[in-house]
Amino acid sequence: NAGVMQNPRHLVRRRGQEARLRCSPMKGHSHVYWYRQLPEEGLKFMVYLQKENIIDESGMPKERFSAEFPKEGPSILRIQQVVRGDSAAYFCASSPEGAPYGYTFGSGTRLTVV
Amino acid sequence: TQLLEQSPQFLSIQEGENLTVYCNSSSVFSSLQWYRQEPGEGPVLLVTVVTGGEVKKLKRLTFQFGDARKDSSLHITAAQPGDTGLYLCAGEDSGYALNFGKGTSLLVTP
Repeated sequence: NAGVMQNPRHLVRRRGQEARLRCSPMKGHSHVYWYRQLPEEGLKFMVYLQKENIIDESGMPKERFSAEFPKEGPSILRIQQVVRGDSAAYFCASSPEGAPYGYTFGSGTRLTVV
Repeated sequence: TQLLEQSPQFLSIQEGENLTVYCNSSSVFSSLQWYRQEPGEGPVLLVTVVTGGEVKKLKRLTFQFGDARKDSSLHITAAQPGDTGLYLCAGEDSGYALNFGKGTSLLVTP
């Protein structure tokens, strides 16, 4: 069984460019969560999605960030006009149901903005 | 957001020693999870505790959930270099989102 697949593993973007991070949940998991890990900080919740629905995006910055989980294909976290402060590790997790009694995390995408 | 404080922040010990790390909060959690994260990888779930006073064992790791469900501890017996990593505790916040502590970074040297 494949785990949660994230790609790319590393992404370098210049300031002002767009970053697209992809996440394919584990087979049978329909709930996807995105977290961001900044240096010296813990993992911070960003957004919770189910197929074609954003359930909670309270942790997402109000501007430049968006997420989707289409009926077909992976979940996408999109960051427009990236700035240096967006440099971080972005992790996707999935679960078979909403109650988080066990997330499965992907290996993350490390975004570096230069 | 409920704050989770983990201590110690860093711990360096020799192989064979025992250790305990702590996760404390002023808030009550319906469940609490422990994860281990290695450099360059995502966190891996070790255990979920739900009931106050619950004790779970995973080989040499013993997890305890406080009676009031506000704190938890992780005890490792006879640590091995393979135990090296960042240990994270996380409490259920809003029914689906997890609130993570900053972690305890453990280094076990041969």
